[in-house]
Amino acid sequence: GAGVSQSPRYKVAKRGQDVALRCDPISGHVSLFWYQQALGQGPEFLTYFQNEAQLDKSGLPSDRFFAERPEGSVSTLKIQRTQQEDSAVYLCASSPRQGSLEQYFGPGTRLTVT
Amino acid sequence: AQSVTQLDSQVPVFEEAPVELRCNYSSSVSVYLFWYVQYPNQGLQLLLKYLSGSTLVKGINGFEAEFNKSQTSFHLRKPSVHISDTAEYFCAVSRNAGNMLTFGGGTRLMVKP
Repeated sequence: GAGVSQSPRYKVAKRGQDVALRCDPISGHVSLFWYQQALGQGPEFLTYFQNEAQLDKSGLPSDRFFAERPEGSVSTLKIQRTQQEDSAVYLCASSPRQGSLEQYFGPGTRLTVT
Repeated sequence: AQSVTQLDSQVPVFEEAPVELRCNYSSSVSVYLFWYVQYPNQGLQLLLKYLSGSTLVKGINGFEAEFNKSQTSFHLRKPSVHISDTAEYFCAVSRNAGNMLTFGGGTRLMVKP
């Protein structure tokens, strides 16, 4: 079946612009994670949803970052007033159920802030 | 809190040679351990995981890893690499099932002909 998909794959934003990054998890997957991967580094946790509930947002770097998953399926990560330090690959991962050890990753969205 | 250290940022190796990618972790509690591979412009793919039991774990593509509790290590090995193994490899830990992953900085494996 289809894997996790993310759109757009590449996004260039001018500093100060707002952006919205979309994640379509594997159908039926309950858990959804967002990670930020800066150039040359490992992914870092941003936030976690179980169905529509955002259970952990401890990794969001500032209040400019906001994530939602209103119907427990598609999720959107929004970044307001983008800064150069926001440039990174944003990865989405989904898991079939709470407590599952396997996370299935999408290809990521590469955000470049100029 | 837990952390993961991958000691080598790059590992060049000739085709058909053996390779070991090193990973050390720190945690005050028991953790689950993972290795992921990332090919260019693709998402992370799970290679293998350690949950409990036998300390030697076999994964896909001929990779295996050994959990060493006393040394808090989880090194990844392959006896004979192929050009197609060229990729970035990430070690990760999770405190509980279903929790977020904490990743190391990654090791770029470069297989040369």
